[in-house]
Amino acid sequence: QSVLTQPPSVSAAPGQKVTISCSGSSSNIGDNYVSWYQQLPGTAPKLLIYDNDKRPSGIPDRFSGSKSVTSATLGITGLQTGDEADYYCGTWDSSLRGGVFGGGTKLTVL
Amino acid sequence: QVQLQESGPGLVKPSETLSLTCTVSGASISSSTYYWGWIRQPPGKGLEWIGSVYYRGSTYYNPSLKSRVTISVDTSKNQFFLKLNSVTAADTAVYFCARGTMTTKHYWGQGTLITVSS
Repeated sequence: QSVLTQPPSVSAAPGQKVTISCSGSSSNIGDNYVSWYQQLPGTAPKLLIYDNDKRPSGIPDRFSGSKSVTSATLGITGLQTGDEADYYCGTWDSSLRGGVFGGGTKLTVL
Repeated sequence: QVQLQESGPGLVKPSETLSLTCTVSGASISSSTYYWGWIRQPPGKGLEWIGSVYYRGSTYYNPSLKSRVTISVDTSKNQFFLKLNSVTAADTAVYFCARGTMTTKHYWGQGTLITVSS
């Protein structure tokens, strides 16, 4: 069971918008920055969002991140079939003194 | 461009020690800004953080694995290492090495599948 809680799956039509939630506690999301990763089948995770809402170079502005108290949200607009992947949130847990991830959310673009 | 590459045996017998190497190119492992870490992913499951090492040698480990894990660094070879003792079938996973901060893994290796089986 993961320290951070994500919905197992979300789906939306091409061109639409979807949000993925990540719920934690005061010792992890509430106390540290959140990052988001995209994992296409058979590949390594790729950083999408860091420090709650910042995008690395090369990540389109269709991807956005936000954080509120002990929860974080990844937003994806203008959905494309190529966005079908697993998405993970991650952060540091100050009580556990270790990194933590969400269980992952499978995005299906219908 | 920062690149990381895992290398290891592929197959490990139960009760033995899993040993992996991560070779870094395009960046110095002696950088004072970043941590170097290991993450694993059992087949069909999610990501699990194993631990991280700072170039000066300080380490952080997943509490659930701490008794079996050692992560170390060799700055002269620009490599860092993972050792996991007393492995069981539950340790079968794709193992990734990564560079980042405490909260973010900016760069990942491609991953290497380690199977624990006799």
